[in-house]
Amino acid sequence: DQQVKQNSPSLSVQEGRISILNCDYTNSMFDYFLWYKKYPAEGPTFLISISSIKDKNEDGRFTVFLNKSAKHLSLHIVPSQPGDSAVYFCAASSNTGNQFYFGTGTSLTVIP
Amino acid sequence: GAGVSQSPSNKVTEKGKDVELRCDPISGHTALYWYRQSLGQGLEFLIYFQGNSAPDKSGLPSDRFSAERTGGSVSTLTIQRTQQEDSAVYLCASSQDGTGHQGDTQYFGPGTRLTVL
Repeated sequence: DQQVKQNSPSLSVQEGRISILNCDYTNSMFDYFLWYKKYPAEGPTFLISISSIKDKNEDGRFTVFLNKSAKHLSLHIVPSQPGDSAVYFCAASSNTGNQFYFGTGTSLTVIP
Repeated sequence: GAGVSQSPSNKVTEKGKDVELRCDPISGHTALYWYRQSLGQGLEFLIYFQGNSAPDKSGLPSDRFSAERTGGSVSTLTIQRTQQEDSAVYLCASSQDGTGHQGDTQYFGPGTRLTVL
């Protein structure tokens, strides 16, 4: 049973525009959420995280929004750059365990 | 220095053979995680180590899978009698203290691509 879902397998955006990647989760016990970025033939790299006590966290061009009532989070990248082209995974965990639950990923292509 | 390393980067094996995958975590990281990613799937948690002990083995898919960690450092994931459905990318990650969240960032290795013919 997939507890973290990324329903869009791919997304294409023009350079300079905003990229919005979405993630939904089912477990209301999740209290920590992360986004990872993965290039081909490399392991995922940590991008940005958010605790459930916040609804927004910003780091440069990257902002993560959390809507707890909807069990939904999103990653905004603005402005998008060709180097942002990668697969983005969202992940979630709860304070009752050590597991991180990952989504299936969204492949972002930023078109120059 | 170095990040998480994994070996081999690619492994092709015949069905029924045993394979051993290795992970070298970041020096000083006490927590180590194994995941696998099958085609079109997300990252599937396999096992978590805190030091040399594995408090959470819940993700191991069958008793053909086992893992150990020695000296609080290197870990090996062993798959016995491999099956075609074991084909996947096996990823290892380490983190500083293994609290599992709230700032305990996992650093991933490049993965081992396992193909079972």
